[in-house]
Amino acid sequence: NAGVTQTPKFQVLKTGQSMTLQCAQDMNHEYMSWYRQDPGMGLRLIHYSVGAGITDQGEVPNGYNVSRSTTEDFPLRLLSAAPSQTSVYFCASSLNPVTNEKLFFGSGTQLSVL
Amino acid sequence: AQSVTQLGSHVSVSEGALVLLRCNYSSSVPPYLFWYVQYPNQGLQLLLKYTSAATLVKGINGFEAEFKKSETSFHLTKPSAHMSDAAEYFCAVSDRESNAGGTSYGKLTFGQGTILTVHP
Repeated sequence: NAGVTQTPKFQVLKTGQSMTLQCAQDMNHEYMSWYRQDPGMGLRLIHYSVGAGITDQGEVPNGYNVSRSTTEDFPLRLLSAAPSQTSVYFCASSLNPVTNEKLFFGSGTQLSVL
Repeated sequence: AQSVTQLGSHVSVSEGALVLLRCNYSSSVPPYLFWYVQYPNQGLQLLLKYTSAATLVKGINGFEAEFKKSETSFHLTKPSAHMSDAAEYFCAVSDRESNAGGTSYGKLTFGQGTILTVHP
């Protein structure tokens, strides 16, 4: 079982560049989400989706864009990278968005913005 | 608004000793509570969850947690630490919320994390 697959695992950007972090799941999960993890701050929700065509903002959405055209894929776009976006990014999905009783996480993308 | 506080960003124990990781939450309604574990260079994995059934919840790898409503706590314990338990542990709370479109979903809020170190 592939589960939640994130690509790339590592990325270095220059300030102002744009890029897309890819996330795909093969479990037919309705709920998908993006978190960023920073030391001492736990995980903070960037954007989430409760189904294809439905997205919404989380706690820290500024500078990021998402779309959900299929159930399987939930890409995260950085529009104009800034050093403050240096972080580890995790995609997570769950079967039941109402309870989110169990999130399945990808292995993360480590992003550095110079 | 819900919040989670994990007491102690680092906990160090000897192999075979009791593990106690503390978590306190605030929530306006009965919450769902979770502990997740993150091993180095990996994503998070669900360790255990409380969803308003039994207050003592058993998880994987010998961990358990007790929901205490009066103390708003959900501390994680393991009687005897093993070297393989070294990881970062996150407490999380989930409350039912509705987004702008009126769709209900479980909003998860994570604590800051506790790094567990196990000494031989």
